[in-house]
Amino acid sequence: GESVGLHLPTLSVQEGDNSIINCAYSNSASDYFIWYKQESGKGPQFIIDIRSNMDKRQGQRVTVLLNKTVKHLSLQIAATQPGDSAVYFCAENMGTGRRALTFGSGTRLQVQP
Amino acid sequence: SQTIHQWPATLVQPVGSPLSLECTVEGTSNPNLYWYRQAAGRGLQLLFYSVGIGQISSEVPQNLSASRPQDRQFILSSKKLLLSDSGFYLCAWSVQDEKLFFGSGTQLSVL
Repeated sequence: GESVGLHLPTLSVQEGDNSIINCAYSNSASDYFIWYKQESGKGPQFIIDIRSNMDKRQGQRVTVLLNKTVKHLSLQIAATQPGDSAVYFCAENMGTGRRALTFGSGTRLQVQP
Repeated sequence: SQTIHQWPATLVQPVGSPLSLECTVEGTSNPNLYWYRQAAGRGLQLLFYSVGIGQISSEVPQNLSASRPQDRQFILSSKKLLLSDSGFYLCAWSVQDEKLFFGSGTQLSVL
């Protein structure tokens, strides 16, 4: 079936660098996307969301880009800090009446000091 | 503001024992409620969701059940736990199927 997936299971960056976490989705009916951050032993925290009628949305130090042509979603973190180390999940609402988000398998971001 | 409470934080149970995990939400009315399970180092698997009192939808066949006796209370249960029920259980709520807000999770170990 259609699902959300991630290209890189682990991403290691230097403190202060920019991070880019990618996500591929295959359901063209998806109309809403979210990025979550999960620290070890904790529940996922909402970071940023974007609707399918947008290509880009910016938050504080984070930017989400949506490319509907290739069904690709990315999360950019500027000036990555040690506190950004976590697992990041993308999620999609497939818009089929199913009342829940579908989550990808996650990417672990490791920030090296 | 809205808050979600989930307990206990950790639980160790023998195989064959019953399970009851509770989740409550404050500061909102008629939320959609969800139970997810997360295996170590893996993604989130939706177990149950509820759009109202007494309304439960199951996503996967399993050894677990859910109930919603009150508008802002969601309970995950099992009559007899299996080893495969071990995992990190997360309760979440949303309004109108938008972004989910998660609880702090329960780490369940079945031995």
